[in-house]
Amino acid sequence: EADIYQTPRYLVIGTGKKITLECSQTMGHDKMYWYQQDPGMELHLIHYSYGVNSTEKGDLSSESTVSRIRTEHFPLTLESARPSHTSQYLCASSVSPGLGTDTQYFGPGTRLTVL
Amino acid sequence: GQNIDQPTEMTATEGAIVQINCTYQTSGFNGLFWYQQHAGEAPTFLSYNVLDGLEEKGRFSSFLSRSKGYSYLLLKELQMKDSASYLCAVRGGSGGYQKVTFGTGTKLQVIP
Repeated sequence: EADIYQTPRYLVIGTGKKITLECSQTMGHDKMYWYQQDPGMELHLIHYSYGVNSTEKGDLSSESTVSRIRTEHFPLTLESARPSHTSQYLCASSVSPGLGTDTQYFGPGTRLTVL
Repeated sequence: GQNIDQPTEMTATEGAIVQINCTYQTSGFNGLFWYQQHAGEAPTFLSYNVLDGLEEKGRFSSFLSRSKGYSYLLLKELQMKDSASYLCAVRGGSGGYQKVTFGTGTKLQVIP
């Protein structure tokens, strides 16, 4: 079973608030990812990191920012939440030694509702 | 970029066999994954193929043909709990930079 955690699991906040979604993994994986997924819809990659101090934007434009100061921690921050940010946010991690598998392990997700 | 195509929805009967297809286009292909995602939950890893052929894991098998850009996930002895979305994901890219891209998923409904 993968050891990747997300907090909070559910969050309801008002417009304009600053929020940080936490993601931690204890597997020592070098790569970490954030995905956004609406109910019944496809996964959209919004941020990824290939190691400490490395962050990149994903395929879907997002107003969020991320940081990777420690290997195990990859928080996502929204400076000013809006109703359009309402979605499920999934964090994942993987390890890629050379031509390894890069299997991604997902956290349980944070379901965000912005009123 | 990478293009991945899989059917949107499928329905199958409990106890039967179902095959979910995935076709892809990518440069520098380096592996194909299948994930299962139940409604409201996170995806979980099912299988990985990097060489041509069939990989079997209990009731689930995955096949890959790199020359055809084609894979399928085969589910045998279907159970009601197999009702979920099945995501095909491809690892590829050029110039030493590789990424994993997910398809839109196939929603499988198992009926009695």
